[in-house]
Order: sequence, then structure tokens, then C-alpha cells
Amino acid sequence: LAKTTQPPSMEAYEGQEVNVSCSHTNIATSEYIYWYRQVPHQGPQFIIQGYKDYVVNEVASLFISADRKLSTLSLPWVSLRDAAVYYCIVTDLGTGGYKVVFGSGTRLLVSP
Amino acid sequence: EAAVTQSPRNKVTVTGGNVTLSCRQTNSHNYMYWYRQDTGHGLRLIHYSYGAGNLQIGDVPDGYKATRTTQEDFFLLLELASPSQTSLYFCASSDLGQSSYEQYFGPGTRLTVL
Repeated sequence: LAKTTQPPSMEAYEGQEVNVSCSHTNIATSEYIYWYRQVPHQGPQFIIQGYKDYVVNEVASLFISADRKLSTLSLPWVSLRDAAVYYCIVTDLGTGGYKVVFGSGTRLLVSP
Repeated sequence: EAAVTQSPRNKVTVTGGNVTLSCRQTNSHNYMYWYRQDTGHGLRLIHYSYGAGNLQIGDVPDGYKATRTTQEDFFLLLELASPSQTSLYFCASSDLGQSSYEQYFGPGTRLTVL
């Protein structure tokens, strides 16, 4: 499984757009990119997944570089509720998606 | 929305004690997982299962046993608990049949081994 590298922390103000980057230089052709977030006292929650190009859902958007070595999670207009640890994960769906390795994530601090 | 419940939510035991953590999912998911979360390590996979009676070893299995009795229920067993197993434990499930394979997590069990 490809190892991921994320900044340990980021800060933002409410209403700002936040972009969280993730490097996965050794990503394999069979691996997909997932993003989860975790707020205190809760388990991680799925945000978005993608393989290449650009993916958007009602919560976030995900941009994946052409070589797939870098992905960026974009959160529009963050609020205090978006303060969480954000995890970037790559996993091989050919194995049923079970092999998920969570790193240390990026802690997003949001100020009023 | 997928529902994963865990019990107990908090547990304190002594070194050498016997502990069972329970997990139930009500969404007919094939896969279930047990993770532990410690500061500085993120989540680490202990054991997982792709169906009743099946068990697969994860990345940090030492000192843990697990059993999947039904599609809904997955148990984590610590037969001789040690202080190093003090941690926050999460159960999760996912459905092999879905294209996204996203995992749904329970609320966690905080275990303290004295």
C-alpha cells in the first residue's frame, strides 16, 4: 500500500475555503484515494473518494494530479463543525477495500 | 445510513484480566474491522472479517483474538490484558458489493488496563 504524507496541522477562519494536500508518491494503478475525517469522541467518517481527475459531492471536492501522486481535499466555507482530523488513505479495491492504513492525518483548527 | 454500535463504551480492567469488546452492525455489510487508535499512530488494523466464521489478521494482531459469530456481530477478545493495550478501539464495517467500499465506524470503546 502506498504511504501517504499530509501536513500535521492547518488553521483557518470560518467561511474560508480550506485545501488539504496529501502526497502518495508510490500509489499503484489499482489503488484509490479516500478521505475521512474524525471529530473528537467519534469514529472516522467517510468524506469522498476518487481515482483520478476531479470528484465532487455535497460535502467536499477532491482534485487528483495527473500522475496521481498528489491529491487535494477542498472544503468550501468551513465552519467550526469542520474542525477535525482529516485522513488521506489509499487502498486497493481489488482486495475488497479492507486494507486501509490510517496515518496521523491533518488536524484542522477553525477559528470564528 | 449505516449503523455500527459498540459496547461497552468504556472499560477498565487490570493487568491479566479478560476483556471482550462487542461490535454490531445492522446494514448487512460483509466486512467488519477492529482498529486501535493511539496518539501518534493514527488507527491501526487489528483484525478483520469478511463474513461469519471468517477471521483475517491485521497489522497489529499480537495479544488479540477476534470472532465473527454472525454477519452482524464481531468481537474482540483480550485474554490477558496488558497496560500496552490501553487504547481507544473502533469497530467498522463495509460492503464488498458497493463501489465505494467506504467504511462505517462505531463510536469507539475506551479501554484502560491498570
